[in-house]
Amino acid sequence: AAGVIQSPRHLIKEKRETATLKCYPIPRHDTVYWYQQGPGQDPQFLISFYEKMQSDKGSIPDRFSAQQFSDYHSELNMSSLELGDSALYFCASSLQGREQYFGPGTRLTVT
Amino acid sequence: GESVGLHLPTLSVQEGDNSIINCAYSNSASDYFIWYKQESGKGPQFIIDIRSNMDKRQGQRVTVLLNKTVKHLSLQIAATQPGDSAVYFCAEIDNQAGTALIFGKGTTLSVSS
Repeated sequence: AAGVIQSPRHLIKEKRETATLKCYPIPRHDTVYWYQQGPGQDPQFLISFYEKMQSDKGSIPDRFSAQQFSDYHSELNMSSLELGDSALYFCASSLQGREQYFGPGTRLTVT
Repeated sequence: GESVGLHLPTLSVQEGDNSIINCAYSNSASDYFIWYKQESGKGPQFIIDIRSNMDKRQGQRVTVLLNKTVKHLSLQIAATQPGDSAVYFCAEIDNQAGTALIFGKGTTLSVSS
């Protein structure tokens, strides 16, 4: 069965640079979630989209923005990167608010 | 008083033993709870879920218990195998507030053969 796809899997950026992470949800899923997981930490919810509209907002910094496109894929845009942004970024998708399926994550390293 | 299992950041068991992983959740309004397994470098993987109108649910080799009185959740794994070694997270959702997962602190399960 098709799973959530994230790209890139690894990304290295310098401080103050920008980064764009992409997420392709499971086909026919209508909701996309973004989570950030720091080293040794539990995942923290950032933002979600339902039918291309922002639905919930968590602890997403103002330097970050996200959107969901007409084909349901989503992008997380991160600007003015800081060392503390180094983390695993997961995307999850669900159908009508039911079980969330997670992608493999993007490991972002800011140097 | 009632005994409540403590959350432990790590748990080491022998292959074949039963494992119990505990979690305390924070929001008394949460109505949906999920256990996830996360292997190193991978995304969380759904194990089992339970709604707040239930106190027990069983899956294949796993059982989740919910005690709403003390806001406690536990995951029992029967006949633990080396492949069960991972970090386990509980997560809660308050569907009145949204559908985002609120994760608890993880427990690292190590299974030795």
